[in-house]
Amino acid sequence: DAGITQSPRHKVTETGTPVTLRCHQTENHRYMYWYRQDPGHGLRLIHYSYGVKDTDKGEVSDGYSVSRSKTEDFLLTLESATSSQTSVYFCAISSGSLNEKLFFGSGTQLSVL
Amino acid sequence: DAKTTQPNSMESNEEEPVHLPCNHSTISGTDYIHWYRQLPSQGPEYVIHGLTSNVNNRMASLAIAEDRKSSTLILHRATLRDAAVYYCILRDRTSGTYKYIFGTGTRLKVLA
Repeated sequence: DAGITQSPRHKVTETGTPVTLRCHQTENHRYMYWYRQDPGHGLRLIHYSYGVKDTDKGEVSDGYSVSRSKTEDFLLTLESATSSQTSVYFCAISSGSLNEKLFFGSGTQLSVL
Repeated sequence: DAKTTQPNSMESNEEEPVHLPCNHSTISGTDYIHWYRQLPSQGPEYVIHGLTSNVNNRMASLAIAEDRKSSTLILHRATLRDAAVYYCILRDRTSGTYKYIFGTGTRLKVLA
């Protein structure tokens, strides 16, 4: 299994509070992705990173920011959490080569009350 | 963004073959076709991927049309553990970086 760790695994927070989710990899992969999954919507890309300090927006980036200060860590921040951000968040990594695969973490269940 | 189209759901009997279709008419010449599946309460996992030729591995086979505008994931003998959502995706290369856009996938139900 690819070395991807998401933390925390579960979090309950209140509306308006800041929240940071962490994705840590031990594969030295170039690309890291954050997705959210809600019933009926499949996986939707929030932000992704293609290198240290290099990030770009995905399909549903509003209300989220990311940072990648070192290869192994990709942080997702909700500056002021809202109930609509209650979701399961998945991190994924890939090498960036032409013939690559995506590897996913186990997910973080976030509840915003 | 490169798009794929899949049926929302399919059913299969246990121990019978399953053919999961995917259309990707906007595919470009160097796009690999990827398949992932998501078991209940788990993150997605890699199943198979290919470029032009048909591919086989221990989990499944991937049949790619000659024009590459469609593909089919083949599970040779479905088991109850294969009940999952199956995603067919292409890697998007707009803006020179790579990203993967998932659709809603096909929910496979396996009947005992």
